Amino acid sequence: DIQLTQSPSFLSASVGDRVTITCRASQGIRSYLAWYQQKPGKAPKLLIYAVSTLQSGVPSRFSGSESGTEFTLTISGLQPEDFATYYCQQFHNSPFTFGPGTKVDIK
Amino acid sequence: QVQLVQSGSEVKRTGSSVRVSCTASGGTFSTYAFSWVRQAPGQGLEWMGAIIPITATTNYAQKFQGRVTISADVSTSTSYMALSSLRSEDTAVYYCARSIEMATMANFDYWGQGTLVTVSS
Repeated sequence: DIQLTQSPSFLSASVGDRVTITCRASQGIRSYLAWYQQKPGKAPKLLIYAVSTLQSGVPSRFSGSESGTEFTLTISGLQPEDFATYYCQQFHNSPFTFGPGTKVDIK
Repeated sequence: QVQLVQSGSEVKRTGSSVRVSCTASGGTFSTYAFSWVRQAPGQGLEWMGAIIPITATTNYAQKFQGRVTISADVSTSTSYMALSSLRSEDTAVYYCARSIEMATMANFDYWGQGTLVTVSS
């Protein structure tokens, strides 16, 4: 199975901050990577797919990029509604594994 | 607008089985893929498997092979996830999710509200 690791696992940030979350894959996954946001008690929400394609309706402050097997989610100008847990997921090989998550909390 | 509505919470005994349903509305059910993802209390997300309703093609995570069956009824726009030989570690919220891309079963753009399955002895 392809393993995804995320860093950091937890980060504390303020409104307006630029936040970067990294997802590393244990092997090449080409561009088959998505990012989700999940708030407590709610289903995940798709933010970005195919590494950098913004899902319809998602604010442009969210962006994604890659460098080899390292993928990055950036939030440019954190908003109060962005405090949540973020997961990456790969679709290169079954099983379609998720990263362990990064919780973004209010500083 | 697309909605996925799941069946209600379940409490099951160890060793028994559970079936959770997910009914889609507002879209063309058969031309998408549907996955099932679970989340144990306080834990991360775990993909279990998926189905393409129009072909009945399934793809299961090896971890659940032999215990999980994902099916779909195109006439009612409903996907089902059945899990057998339940153990306490199967206590989780189970989500269905629709894939943007049918062929790759990738990128889940719509999710159900989740169904809590509690397994106890």
